[in-house]
Amino acid sequence: GAGVSQSPSNKVTEKGKDVELRCDPISGHTALYWYRQSLGQGLEFLIYFQGNSAPDKSGLPSDRFSAERTGGSVSTLTIQRTQQEDSAVYLCASSLDRVNYGYTFGSGTRLTVV
Amino acid sequence: KNQVEQSPQSLIILEGKNCTLQCNYTVSPFSNLRWYKQDTGRGPVSLTIMTFSENTKSNGRYTATLDADTKQSSLHITASQLSDSASYICVVIPGDYKYIFGTGTRLKVLA
Repeated sequence: GAGVSQSPSNKVTEKGKDVELRCDPISGHTALYWYRQSLGQGLEFLIYFQGNSAPDKSGLPSDRFSAERTGGSVSTLTIQRTQQEDSAVYLCASSLDRVNYGYTFGSGTRLTVV
Repeated sequence: KNQVEQSPQSLIILEGKNCTLQCNYTVSPFSNLRWYKQDTGRGPVSLTIMTFSENTKSNGRYTATLDADTKQSSLHITASQLSDSASYICVVIPGDYKYIFGTGTRLKVLA
């Protein structure tokens, strides 16, 4: 597509429920990133996918968080047993390569855990 | 610890005025520095990109400066417009894929 597409744009869920956030990157972009943006905080790195390489999961805050990227394209971020502190905007970005090309960000998914 | 600090946290100016946003960083090694604009409810969009050898980079009414010796950058907005109201995020890239983001400056331009 023309840009990075994320869905849903807004998600309200009850504490303890599982949620899935979807990211559709720009076609041809081999690198895909998930970031979390909490109110008043900078963007927090979560996970990085590059082609067929093993993803860098070092930013995932707990084992309740997982992500996969199927076929080198669409990615899904899953949060199990959601907690109120998971409330944030989850941003996905893609780029042509690791460093030299800037990220293109999606509009994010605003997750609210009540 | 790699950090990027921005000031002020928020700023209100009148339309047509100029303003300057500051960014100090401690990231090392350093590959390049970017300024992003993030409108409410949208993802960040890149404004400028500078390597350590560049001192200034302009993009329309936006001019970014970089002093790699003091590890400081600034973003100057000239003749502000209402549409400039947004958060401006300073991002430092240490050379791998893990961008280091500042917490941003929230700018409000009033008519």
